Amino acid sequence: KAGVTQTPRYLIKTRGQQVTLSCSPISGHRSVSWYQQTPGQGLQFLFEYFSETQRNKGNFPGRFSGRQFSNSRSEMNVSTLELGDSALYLCASWGTGVNTEAFFGQGTRLTVV
Amino acid sequence: GENVEQHPSTLSVQEGDSAVIKCTYSDSASNYFPWYKQELGKGPQLIIDIRSNVGEKKDQRIAVTLNKTAKHFSLHITETQPEDSAVYFCAASPPSGGYQKVTFGTGTKLQVIP
Repeated sequence: KAGVTQTPRYLIKTRGQQVTLSCSPISGHRSVSWYQQTPGQGLQFLFEYFSETQRNKGNFPGRFSGRQFSNSRSEMNVSTLELGDSALYLCASWGTGVNTEAFFGQGTRLTVV
Repeated sequence: GENVEQHPSTLSVQEGDSAVIKCTYSDSASNYFPWYKQELGKGPQLIIDIRSNVGEKKDQRIAVTLNKTAKHFSLHITETQPEDSAVYFCAASPPSGGYQKVTFGTGTKLQVIP
């Protein structure tokens, strides 16, 4: 069974640009969550999607957005990039039910210069 | 919402010694407490979890304890090995009404010195 796939693995962008990250969950998983990981801040929750609907959203500005497609693949978009957006962005795929194991991808390392 | 604090942020131990990582949570309704291990260049991976109806759970060299009254839980790794070196995250999850609602701690970087 293929794991969670995130693309691209690395990205360098300039301040003010926008970026789109992609996540393909484990086959059969319909719930996808996105997290921002920075040193000292741990895993900050961005949003969760289930069956193409955003079910939950963290405390991030509106520059951060996402969507989910009918095949459960998800994208997140960050517009007007700031230096502080440099981070590892992780996608997690969840099976059926709540309080279950999260399966993480390897992440996309975004560097804003 | 839930708030999870994790200590220490870094931990160095000699190979063969034990390592303990502690977390506290704020929401007394939280009933699921997973621990994740993140190796360099990889995403976090679940290593053990505990639910609020259990006080302790063990899996080989890894154990987790939960004190619901004090709202804290701990990860214990015995006989540490170099491959235990990684970042460890605790998390807490309350009943969520159907969606994933896991709050992670800030992580502990464990270094096992050979």
